[in-house]
Amino acid sequence: KAGVTQTPRYLIKTRGQQVTLSCSPISGHRSVSWYQQTPGQGLQFLFEYFSETQRNKGNFPGRFSGRQFSNSRSEMNVSTLELGDSALYLCASSLSEYEQFFGPGTRLTVL
Amino acid sequence: EDQVTQSPEALRLQEGESSSLNCSYTVSGLRGLFWYRQDPGKGPEFLFTLYSAGEEKEKERLKATLTKKESFLHITAPKPEDSATYLCAVQPWGSNTGKLIFGQGTTLQVKP
Repeated sequence: KAGVTQTPRYLIKTRGQQVTLSCSPISGHRSVSWYQQTPGQGLQFLFEYFSETQRNKGNFPGRFSGRQFSNSRSEMNVSTLELGDSALYLCASSLSEYEQFFGPGTRLTVL
Repeated sequence: EDQVTQSPEALRLQEGESSSLNCSYTVSGLRGLFWYRQDPGKGPEFLFTLYSAGEEKEKERLKATLTKKESFLHITAPKPEDSATYLCAVQPWGSNTGKLIFGQGTTLQVKP
């Protein structure tokens, strides 16, 4: 059974640009959550989507947004990038609200 | 405020030297507690979910236990391949979504 896939795996952007990251969940999983991981803050919840609706949102500015498509694939967008947005962005999918399975992440570097 | 604290931050063991990692949590109510393993440059790998105090789960050399205020991840006779960062996360009760609150992790190094 294929796991969670994320594309691209690595990204380098400059301040002020915007970026879109993609996540394909495990087949049959309808919930997709996004997390930001940095050495200083650890893993922090960004938002969760279920059946194309945002179910929950973490404490991040409005520059961070996301969406989910009818096939459960999800994208997150960060506009007006700042240096502090450099992080590993992780996507997790779940069949229920309990066990979440993570993808390999997208490493974003903002210069 | 819901919070998860893991200790120690880093742990060095000799191969075969058993030890425990601690995860203490403060939540209004616990729906579930999760343990993950993360290797450098990779996403967290799911290990266990615990739901109620007194529950225990085992997988190979790992055993997770849960009390009302903390969880332990016991590592018996570890091998070098057990070296990784171990993450603990909680899902608060009343949260009908997938939001997990993570601790900072314990980085384990097992030397041969």
